[in-house]
Amino acid sequence: GAVVSQHPSWVICKSGTSVKIECRSLDFQATTMFWYRQFPKQSLMLMATSNEGSKATYEQGVEKDKFLINHASLTLSTLTVTSAHPEDSSFYICSARTGESQPQHFGDGTRLSIL
Amino acid sequence: GQNIDQPTEMTATEGAIVQINCTYQTSGFNGLFWYQQHAGEAPTFLSYNVLDGLEEKGRFSSFLSRSKGYSYLLLKELQMKDSASYLCAVMDSNYQLIWGAGTKLIIKP
Repeated sequence: GAVVSQHPSWVICKSGTSVKIECRSLDFQATTMFWYRQFPKQSLMLMATSNEGSKATYEQGVEKDKFLINHASLTLSTLTVTSAHPEDSSFYICSARTGESQPQHFGDGTRLSIL
Repeated sequence: GQNIDQPTEMTATEGAIVQINCTYQTSGFNGLFWYQQHAGEAPTFLSYNVLDGLEEKGRFSSFLSRSKGYSYLLLKELQMKDSASYLCAVMDSNYQLIWGAGTKLIIKP
């Protein structure tokens, strides 16, 4: 149980393009989903916490107008990287949990490369 | 401030046992998690400790001492596929996960 699906796995696109990444909890309802970014050989960095039906909470230094998060249902959250630039190239990973004290279960991640 | 410390890198031999330590200082405590992350992949959940003591799950065990702010992950009968980064994460009083930087474990034949 506790399967999280993330799509797409890999995106290569031109600078200025907007990219949408989907995160779905397949066999459970996730009141909270999380979006992380990870640069090569570096730690996970939390970008934002997404609660169903409400606005996401962004970490300091993360531009909310650039990284749009929508959590429209208990099983789906989306991250849209707007007007992406080469410095946005990274590994983006979502996670979801069933309750406050429960472990986060991760999607397989999306490798984003902006040319 | 909140802080999680774990060694940057460890090396062990196939078939041996290795212990990865994690010490933490957080505002409140609602449990400690261990995750495994292979290079280029997302983390996978290994264990959760909220009470003191040892939790065993196959070849992997995790120990917690809340009074000492200390945990370890014990890996037995090491296999080459265990080469990965191991992440310690503590859930604080706001149920936010505070992540350690991870320990890269290298297994040699």
